Amino acid sequence: GNSVTQMEGPVTLSEEAFLTINCTYTATGYPSLFWYVQYPGEGLQLLLKATKADDKGSNKGFEATYRKETTSFHLEKGSVQVSDSAVYFCALRHTGNQFYFGTGTSLTVIP
Amino acid sequence: ETGVTQSPTHLIKTRGQQVTLRCSSQSGHNTVSWYQQALGQGPQFIFQYYREEENGRGNFPPRFSGLQFPNYSSELNVNALELDDSALYLCASSPEDSYEQYFGPGTRLTVT
Repeated sequence: GNSVTQMEGPVTLSEEAFLTINCTYTATGYPSLFWYVQYPGEGLQLLLKATKADDKGSNKGFEATYRKETTSFHLEKGSVQVSDSAVYFCALRHTGNQFYFGTGTSLTVIP
Repeated sequence: ETGVTQSPTHLIKTRGQQVTLRCSSQSGHNTVSWYQQALGQGPQFIFQYYREEENGRGNFPPRFSGLQFPNYSSELNVNALELDDSALYLCASSPEDSYEQYFGPGTRLTVT
């Protein structure tokens, strides 16, 4: 079946540190892949997406590359800010309408 | 442009009761999906409605039911509440021919 496995948190980084949050997926064929961010007390917001192998999604300094050979979609940012503190969810959408989400990774950035 | 809104924000119910949660989709969006997010977990897909018809369902029992209205707003009904139904319930809307989902802030349901 379809599933997403995310790096467990929580992750605590100093401001301007490099961020990597690992995400791997299981799916047949070619799913679309997403990263969502959830700030405290809010719903999920789409951060970036990639719809086919080797696509790179990017937004607000975050990047993730769709790697079919390793079934991965790791999230990276070169220099995190305090305002990036949130919970990050990796998700996939395969055929049909259902999204499959990982369990989320909590990020705290300290000044 | 108004985003996705949900009501109520918080709700406390007793085991065995019934609850109705509401969602207003973003303007122009005709597809609504509902998710259950337990504490510390990712959202789990409950079902989706497209043009007032159910258009996919996750692994939830029949006591979870829904409705979509002609203006594309939606309701999630849960009967015979159980303690494990305590969660954040998220609604997401999508425009025609797009899989991009726009989430509301959620309704926090507590079952005691």
